Amino acid sequence: QLHLQESGPGLVKPSETLSLTCTVSAGSISSSFFWDWIRQPPGKGLEWIGSTSYSGTTYYNPSLRSRVTISVDTSKNQFSLKLNSVTAADTAVYYCARRVGGSGSDYWGQGTLVTVSS
Amino acid sequence: QSALTQPASVSGSPGQSITISCTGTSSDVGGYNYVSWYQQHPGKAPKLIIHDVSNRPSGVSNRFSGSKSANTASLTISGLQAEDEADYYCNSYTSSDTYVFGTGTKVTVL
Repeated sequence: QLHLQESGPGLVKPSETLSLTCTVSAGSISSSFFWDWIRQPPGKGLEWIGSTSYSGTTYYNPSLRSRVTISVDTSKNQFSLKLNSVTAADTAVYYCARRVGGSGSDYWGQGTLVTVSS
Repeated sequence: QSALTQPASVSGSPGQSITISCTGTSSDVGGYNYVSWYQQHPGKAPKLIIHDVSNRPSGVSNRFSGSKSANTASLTISGLQAEDEADYYCNSYTSSDTYVFGTGTKVTVL
């Protein structure tokens, strides 16, 4: 059973960079899937942040594109998210997930809460 | 990109059927058969229950069904059960090679 686990700081200061890593286990990241980051502010809905293929092709939400970088490290079976110049509006539970092309995300991490506060 | 539009809440009694709509545009829902639906219980990660408009992943109850007409996709839950009380989100591929979620619908079992 494929397992995804998010890791990273739970508290980030305003204007700094949020950095998260998703470790994939019981399966290879070097496969014909896409690897997504999705977030959910407390009490609010889901927002797709972006995705990467194992070869490093990336796609980003236009509203976040100027601040987001998603990268993949196949040697570690991990992919990462960097979001710079964060504000309180970036406070959310961040999920990583595997997506089967356009056909939806079938495996998700448990999510990690990142709070932006001084 | 704007979030797809879903009703904020839908309710029904046990055993009834309910339908949740997801309205987009010809650049997302209406343009592609890449609509998926997710169920999310409080404090949990979303769970994929429908992909490619109307297909159920293995293990998902056949009480869940999906369809699409023009720019609106729909999720129907038949034989409503207490365990179906959750938030539901649609998601669609877009012409910009991105994905967009719906605003979310809270389902209450009366």
